[in-house]
Amino acid sequence: DTGVSQNPRHKITKRGQNVTFRCDPISEHNRLYWYRQTLGQGPEFLTYFQNEAQLEKSRLLSDRFSAERPKGSFSTLEIQRTEQGDSAMYLCASSQGRNQPQHFGDGTRLSIL
Amino acid sequence: QKEVEQDPGPLSVPEGAIVSLNCTYSNSAFQYFMWYRQYSRKGPELLMYTYSSGNKEDGRFTAQVDKSSKYISLFIRDSQPSDSATYLCAMSGSNDYKLSFGAGTTVTVRA
Repeated sequence: DTGVSQNPRHKITKRGQNVTFRCDPISEHNRLYWYRQTLGQGPEFLTYFQNEAQLEKSRLLSDRFSAERPKGSFSTLEIQRTEQGDSAMYLCASSQGRNQPQHFGDGTRLSIL
Repeated sequence: QKEVEQDPGPLSVPEGAIVSLNCTYSNSAFQYFMWYRQYSRKGPELLMYTYSSGNKEDGRFTAQVDKSSKYISLFIRDSQPSDSATYLCAMSGSNDYKLSFGAGTTVTVRA
């Protein structure tokens, strides 16, 4: 069990640029989740995949955000035309099935200049 | 009002003390309750995972759930400096896939 892996760990970019994050879940986990965490707050749900299907998107996920999970393995989260308010820690989690515990990666910290 | 409220802290205790952490919630559909520990610049690490009401013990950690009061607690016995971290409560319903988190309580254990 190598755990959930996220890359990069830290991304610094200028406002208006596009960024992409990658998440590799625990290998036998078919469910994958993205959350966003700002300073002093708990993580907030963004979106959820079961295998390759994206089954739910939060209202927090504006049309500038897109997530994919091709072939039901790794996932990417892309933010287009980044804004100051996008600065946060983006966390990925995976689980083995419904109502199974979610295990988190160490996140990608996004800083917008 | 947030769906999950967590005692804000911060909490500072001497080594060896019992740490008590609490959350309340408003959604009666929540069935699964978790406690995560998060060190600075790291992701949340699962500590305890419980279903419905009752107690669960794992080493120095005890989780309690009282669904009638919509109240959950985590107790850390014989606290160590390595327990210094932010503790997050989280919960979900039986048909839910997303977790609803509290804002976290930062704990410092003084040597």
